[in-house]
Amino acid sequence: EAGVAQSPRYKIIEKRQSVAFWCNPISGHATLYWYQQILGQGPKLLIQFQNNGVVDDSQLPKDRFSAERLKGVDSTLKIQPAKLEDSAVYLCASSLLARTGELFFGEGSRLTVL
Amino acid sequence: AQSVTQLGSHVSVSEGALVLLRCNYSSSVPPYLFWYVQYPNQGLQLLLKYTSAATLVKGINGFEAEFKKSETSFHLTKPSAHMSDAAEYFCAVTRAAGGYNKLIFGAGTRLAVHP
Repeated sequence: EAGVAQSPRYKIIEKRQSVAFWCNPISGHATLYWYQQILGQGPKLLIQFQNNGVVDDSQLPKDRFSAERLKGVDSTLKIQPAKLEDSAVYLCASSLLARTGELFFGEGSRLTVL
Repeated sequence: AQSVTQLGSHVSVSEGALVLLRCNYSSSVPPYLFWYVQYPNQGLQLLLKYTSAATLVKGINGFEAEFKKSETSFHLTKPSAHMSDAAEYFCAVTRAAGGYNKLIFGAGTRLAVHP
């Protein structure tokens, strides 16, 4: 069974530029999550989708971050414009049932903002 | 609201020694509790979970954790550390009630294992 796929693995940009990350969850997983993991901290939930609907985006900085999951399968997270403090690993995860807490994570996309 | 506190951002043990990683939780409702492990340059992987059945939970790679409601703790242990256990470990909590529950992670504990 294929795991959660993310790309790109690494991205370096300058502040005020834009960047997009892509995630393809495990087949059949209805719930998809984007987490931000800053060095030395635990993952912080940015947005949670159930199929193609948003169920939690309370910690998403909506002035610069956006995410979509148009067909209820893969998802894109965009940052525009990027700030220095956005340097982090962006982790995508999926789960079969949202209530169980059993998440399957991708390897992450490491963003460096200069 | 739920939260977790992991005591000790770094733990170092000798190979063959006991591993003890501490986690305390705060929850106003019955929680589900988890330990995830993250190896370098990889995503997180579920190690074990507590979902209100047995209080002593066994996970992969010889790890186990005990849910202690009176102490609001869910510490992770392994009797004998192996070099391959070196990784970062995250405790996480969500509420046991139904619906779309947010999984809250602790700050993590980096485990180093030396010969």
